[in-house]
Amino acid sequence: EVQLVESGGGLVQPGGSLKLSCAASGFTFSGSAIHWVRQASGKGLEWVGRIRSKANNYATAYAASVEGKFTISRDDSKNTAYLQMNSLKTEDTAVYYCTRHEVGVPFDYWGQGTLVTVSS
Amino acid sequence: DIQMTQSPSSLSASVGDRVTITCRASQSISSSLNWYQQKPGKAPKLLIYAASSLQSGVPSRFSGSGSGTDFTLTISSLQPEDFATYYCQHIYRTPLTFGGGTKVEIK
Repeated sequence: EVQLVESGGGLVQPGGSLKLSCAASGFTFSGSAIHWVRQASGKGLEWVGRIRSKANNYATAYAASVEGKFTISRDDSKNTAYLQMNSLKTEDTAVYYCTRHEVGVPFDYWGQGTLVTVSS
Repeated sequence: DIQMTQSPSSLSASVGDRVTITCRASQSISSSLNWYQQKPGKAPKLLIYAASSLQSGVPSRFSGSGSGTDFTLTISSLQPEDFATYYCQHIYRTPLTFGGGTKVEIK
């Protein structure tokens, strides 16, 4: 069974940092791109960024709103992707989801989400 | 960046109604469009990919159409479990963007 499980969310002060994890199982993690999507309370979905597979040179891409602040990485030996978030602002408060992008059927599985709250 | 404009932002409908949601891209995205359903407190659920392909396990009352810049999600006969928020998303190139969402409520 395909599973994606996010962890690492919590309360952080403005200007602080947090690292989220996305643990995958049930599929060939190393062959998939992983995307991060966030959703502020009561708002719509916002694509955050993605990391491609080793075959695609682990290429990353980010939304303009997080470029230079957030970094996506992965450890294929641990079947885990990460979202390092620095210089956090209150507007980064959201539920953060990870999802996979497989050739043919993108974004078919999502994690349950992890809540990040940026507040003093 | 490619902008996705979804309409309407909300609608009220009755069980059994035919419901249509539209999504317009600011430039051509071929058929690189997904549709999702999201219920409160839950992750989005993929309904349609590549504009018109029904995701496995999704009821056939859901269908998608369109290419280029104009896309449509249709629910042929609305069921009680379909009351939710629906989003389109282009996956043509990064940055990927979502439409603003359509909340389908009970009339």
